[in-house]
Amino acid sequence: EVQLVESGGGLVKPGGSLRLSCAASGFTFRSYSMNWVRQPPGKGLEWLSSISSSTTFIYYAVSVKGRFTISRDNAKNSLYLQMNSLRAEDTAIYYCVRDRSGDYELDSWGQGTLVTVSS
Amino acid sequence: SYVLTQPPSVSVAPGMTARLSCGGMNIGTKSVNWYQLKPGQAPLVVISKNVDRPSGIPERFSGSNSGNTATLIISRVEAGDEADYYCQVWHSSGDHRVVFGGGTKLTVL
Repeated sequence: EVQLVESGGGLVKPGGSLRLSCAASGFTFRSYSMNWVRQPPGKGLEWLSSISSSTTFIYYAVSVKGRFTISRDNAKNSLYLQMNSLRAEDTAIYYCVRDRSGDYELDSWGQGTLVTVSS
Repeated sequence: SYVLTQPPSVSVAPGMTARLSCGGMNIGTKSVNWYQLKPGQAPLVVISKNVDRPSGIPERFSGSNSGNTATLIISRVEAGDEADYYCQVWHSSGDHRVVFGGGTKLTVL
């Protein structure tokens, strides 16, 4: 069974940093592209970033480019999101998501981790 | 930037058919995925690549995509289908982007 478990969320002050982690199991992690998607309270889904299986291709949404950095450690079956210069509007549930086929068919999602940016 | 437009809400009686639309310019040329979100649960893909139903998704869920509109069709709606539904495409033009619609809240009356 595919499992994605996010961690690292919490309360952080504006301008602060946070690093999210996602532990993957139940599939060959190194073979799949991975993504981060978020959902602010009461709002819709927003794709943030993707990383290919071998880290060759990395992409970001305009809203987080230059502030967030996606990375992965295939030896540890883990995905990461380093978030810097956090703003109130970054408050959201952050999901770790697997891309089934390499063309953004997001077939497996974690339960999410809540990030709250507030003073 | 590419925009996907979904109605904020759709209401349907149990046993009836719900049709949730997702509008976008020439969306018929793209591959559309649909996701179901329920409070406290991980999002679930219910339709992928316009018409494919992942393992475990009831046959009551189907999809279509043509012209400027993609549609998620839920037949014989049940109370457990009440959820938020989002359409999504990959739009590679300018910024490499994954685009979600704004979501539709399906209410089962």
